[in-house]
Amino acid sequence: EAQVTQNPRYLITVTGKKLTVTCSQNMNHEYMSWYRQDPGLGLRQIYYSMNVEVTDKGDVPEGYKVSRKEKRNFPLILESPSPNQTSLYFCASSLYRGNTEAFFGQGTRLTVV
Amino acid sequence: QKEVEQNSGPLSVPEGAIASLNCTYSDRGSQSFFWYRQYSGKSPELIMFIYSNGDKEDGRFTAQLNKASQYVSLLIRDSQPSDSATYLCAAPNNNDMRFGAGTRLTVKP
Repeated sequence: EAQVTQNPRYLITVTGKKLTVTCSQNMNHEYMSWYRQDPGLGLRQIYYSMNVEVTDKGDVPEGYKVSRKEKRNFPLILESPSPNQTSLYFCASSLYRGNTEAFFGQGTRLTVV
Repeated sequence: QKEVEQNSGPLSVPEGAIASLNCTYSDRGSQSFFWYRQYSGKSPELIMFIYSNGDKEDGRFTAQLNKASQYVSLLIRDSQPSDSATYLCAAPNNNDMRFGAGTRLTVKP
């Protein structure tokens, strides 16, 4: 089954404790991205990757890091989480570029206390 | 900043009615537009895309695009309670997709 898999689905952590949210897709898509979704603000892009070893900032990259060492994986790293990063996070992939249909992971609800 | 704007709603319609969801965009260069549906607590899923002026129909859903007015809409005919969700309009922006904030639709039995 074609899918984008995120883990964990739910995470509660404390301020400053490094965490990683994993994302994996099995569709051989070149393009992957991370979004955060907050009430009233919609989906905002954090980082995106057009292919292996190619990443770039989206609209709200501060406080986040990413890497793309393999085509299928695109982890999101919060080196020192803060309460304002409490949000619902989605990983997405598209076949070639971000301007085609996006397939979303199940989401990760992160709470930073 | 190239934006996609939607009325946040909520929009409430009775079962069997037509629900009309609207979206405007600022980038005149946008060529295609996408409508995603997001159930509460779930991830967005694509329900329609449109790239030509006019209407595109798929079952109970019709997407309408007016590039001159920079306006795209989604009509849901014979609305069902199962259509209750947030609908996100999206437009490509260079290498990524720009999403509206979404319109929450409630279909009342």
